[in-house]
Amino acid sequence: DIQMTQSPSSLSRSVGERVTITCRASLSIGSSLNWYQQRPGKAPNLLIYGATSLQRGVPSRFSGSGSGTDFTLTISSLQPEDLATYYCQQSYGTPRTFGQGTKVEIK
Amino acid sequence: DVRLVESGGGLVQPGGSLRVSCAASGFTFRSFWMSWVRQAPGKGPEWVANINQDGGEKYYVDSVKGRFTISRDNAKNSLYLQMHGLTDEDTAFYYCARDGPFGGSSWVDHWGQGTLVTVSS
Repeated sequence: DIQMTQSPSSLSRSVGERVTITCRASLSIGSSLNWYQQRPGKAPNLLIYGATSLQRGVPSRFSGSGSGTDFTLTISSLQPEDLATYYCQQSYGTPRTFGQGTKVEIK
Repeated sequence: DVRLVESGGGLVQPGGSLRVSCAASGFTFRSFWMSWVRQAPGKGPEWVANINQDGGEKYYVDSVKGRFTISRDNAKNSLYLQMHGLTDEDTAFYYCARDGPFGGSSWVDHWGQGTLVTVSS
């Protein structure tokens, strides 16, 4: 199975600050990398697919980059509603594995 | 709007069986691959299984192979997960999920609200 490793496991930033979360795959997955946001008590929600494509309806402050084994999710200006845990997921191979998550807290 | 509504979760004893269901609406169900994804309390999501449009292709994570069966009824716009030989490691929220345009090699573009399966004596 392809292992997905996220860092950091948690972070705390002030409203308006830039946030960067990284995800590393155990082998090259091209651009088959997706990001999800999970707010407390809710189901996950797709943010970014194909490493860089913004899902319809997702605010433009979210962006994704990377290819191969190293990927990044960036929130350009953190908002209070971005309090959540963020997961990366590879869709290159079966099973489609997830990272362990990055919990984002607001200072 | 796409809507996925799970049902059938509950408390089951170790070694027991349970079937969870998903009612889909708001899209052409028969045109999409569908998945089950589970999430143990306090843990990250784990993809469990998926099925193609006509039910002829099914894939499973190793930990459930031989115990779980995914199926669908396109006439009823419904997805199912039959679970046997349940252990406490199967305790989780089970989410019904619609796969994106690349089917089995795709992202999940819509999720249900989840149904909780608790395995305990």
